[in-house]
Amino acid sequence: NAGVTQTPKFQVLKTGQSMTLQCAQDMNHNSMYWYRQDPGMGLRLIYYSASEGTTDKGEVPNGYNVSRLNKREFSLRLESAAPSQTSVYFCASSARYGQYFGPGTRLTVT
Amino acid sequence: KQEVTQIPAALSVPEGENLVLNCSFTDSAIYNLQWFRQDPGKGLTSLLLIQSSQREQTSGRLNASLDKSSGRSTLYIAASQPGDSATYLCAVRGGSGGGADGLTFGKGTHLIIQP
Repeated sequence: NAGVTQTPKFQVLKTGQSMTLQCAQDMNHNSMYWYRQDPGMGLRLIYYSASEGTTDKGEVPNGYNVSRLNKREFSLRLESAAPSQTSVYFCASSARYGQYFGPGTRLTVT
Repeated sequence: KQEVTQIPAALSVPEGENLVLNCSFTDSAIYNLQWFRQDPGKGLTSLLLIQSSQREQTSGRLNASLDKSSGRSTLYIAASQPGDSATYLCAVRGGSGGGADGLTFGKGTHLIIQP
């Protein structure tokens, strides 16, 4: 039972490049989330998906898109990366009683 | 908009002491509150979850309390150990608790336990 997995663990992009962060969970949870963590700002919600086929914006969605591919997988795409998107990105899934987090992706945009 | 505040931002105590971490939130209409631990460069590990109808939860040396009406929660750590050194995060889940509600996090308390 792997819980929530994320790939890649680290990534360096140049301004304007695109990439997709992958997330998968094996706990049969309906809801999945993407957060970013920045020094001094804490964790902030980017997008979430209440169930397969649905997605909604969180607090900081600008510059991102998401896809809920199936119940297990929820991906986050940066179409044109900017230095302001340098951050640590966490994926999470939830049952009714709490959220479970992946190990994170550390992204640097130069 | 929900805001979560954690006090203190940092804390350093000798091994063996009992300590209390504080969390406050501005909107009392929460579904639940969750305490996490985060080690440097790592993900979040869930420690305790308190439903809005509950007053406290315990796990080993950890006890979390919730006073929803006053918008406060505390995390009590008994007999602290160097391995407890980490950042502790408080997060609240709002609304009806339907799966769509994301968490609102505090900025954390950075805890150092001196051997």
